[in-house]
Amino acid sequence: EAGVAQSPRYKIIEKRQSVAFWCNPISGHATLYWYQQILGQGPKLLIQFQNNGVVDDSQLPKDRFSAERLKGVDSTLKIQPAKLEDSAVYLCASSFSTSGGVEQFFGPGTRLTVL
Amino acid sequence: DAKTTQPNSMESNEEEPVHLPCNHSTISGTDYIHWYRQLPSQGPEYVIHGLTSNVNNRMASLAIAEDRKSSTLILHRATLRDAAVYYCILRDNNAGNMLTFGGGTRLMVKP
Repeated sequence: EAGVAQSPRYKIIEKRQSVAFWCNPISGHATLYWYQQILGQGPKLLIQFQNNGVVDDSQLPKDRFSAERLKGVDSTLKIQPAKLEDSAVYLCASSFSTSGGVEQFFGPGTRLTVL
Repeated sequence: DAKTTQPNSMESNEEEPVHLPCNHSTISGTDYIHWYRQLPSQGPEYVIHGLTSNVNNRMASLAIAEDRKSSTLILHRATLRDAAVYYCILRDNNAGNMLTFGGGTRLMVKP
């Protein structure tokens, strides 16, 4: 079974530039998550989708971050414009459902460096 | 989500058992106890989860206290590949399955 795919794996940009990350979840997984992991910290949930609808985006900085999952499969996370503090690893995860007993599968992440 | 408390770091010798503790004194009746680990430069991976009873799988065992206010992840024979950050997380069955990560325990395994 193929895992969660993310691209690119690494990205270096200058502050005030824009960047986009792509995620392809495991086939059949209805729930998709984006997490931000700053160096030395645990991942922090940014947004959760159920199919193509947003379940929770309370921690997404909506003035600069946006995410979509138009057809309920792939998802894109965008930052525009980027700030230095956005340097982090952006992790995508998916799960079969939203039940509390269901595991999440994580992708390898995209490491973003903002100069 | 209810909070968990874990030691910042632990050391173990290779091929010895490791007991990773987690305190969750404010756990509610609908909270599942999940453990994930994160190897260097990788995304987190699921290890094990439980609700009330002790659980075993091919990776580890989870021992849950009778009052559910603490739990212990048990690696029966640590290998060098088990060196990772281990996260203990409470997930409310009624709250959309989101994971709230704390700082975790960094496990170092010595050969």
